[in-house]
Amino acid sequence: EVVLVESGGGVVQPGGSLRLSCEASGFIFRSYWMNWVRQGPEKGLVWVARINSDADMTDYADSVKGRFTISRDNARNTLYLDMNSLRAEDTAVYYCVRWAHWAFDFWGQGTLVTVSS
Amino acid sequence: QMTQSPSSLSASVGDRVTISCRASQSIRNLLNWYQQKPGKAPKLLIYTASSLLSGVPSRFSGSGSGTNFTLTISDLHPEDFANYFCQQSYSTPHYTFGQGTNLEMK
Repeated sequence: EVVLVESGGGVVQPGGSLRLSCEASGFIFRSYWMNWVRQGPEKGLVWVARINSDADMTDYADSVKGRFTISRDNARNTLYLDMNSLRAEDTAVYYCVRWAHWAFDFWGQGTLVTVSS
Repeated sequence: QMTQSPSSLSASVGDRVTISCRASQSIRNLLNWYQQKPGKAPKLLIYTASSLLSGVPSRFSGSGSGTNFTLTISDLHPEDFANYFCQQSYSTPHYTFGQGTNLEMK
């Protein structure tokens, strides 16, 4: 069974930093591209970042480019998202999501990030 | 850009419902459908417009190509009342989602 478990969310002040983690199990983690997708209070879904299986290629949404960094440790079956210079508009539930079949085929349960003073 | 319609829909158990998704340009068949229940993560139902993910009930089906796509749920079950989102995979990597359709019980 594919399982993705996010952690690291919380309340942070504007301008602050946070690191999200996602532990994967039930599949060969190193074989899959992985993503972060977020869902803000307005409930829309927004793709944030992706990383390839070998961890040598990354892409970002324009809204987070230069502030967020996606990375992975295939030996630990773990995906990360380092978030810096956080803004109020970054407040959202952040999902760790596997990529397959040209789609987001499995999602974690999400971790809530709240940016507020 | 993905435009879903309707934004909300009322139906009864046993009904057949259709949700539409329109792309602002051709996305071939690179369109996926997700179901999300309150407080839960989205779940993939249909990928590449019409392929049913393993384990998803056959009452769910998808069709379309180019710019117009539909998700059909035949014989609505109580557990099908949820939010549904479309998502395009054509504009790699800037994948975008529709705004969602709230399917509620009449």
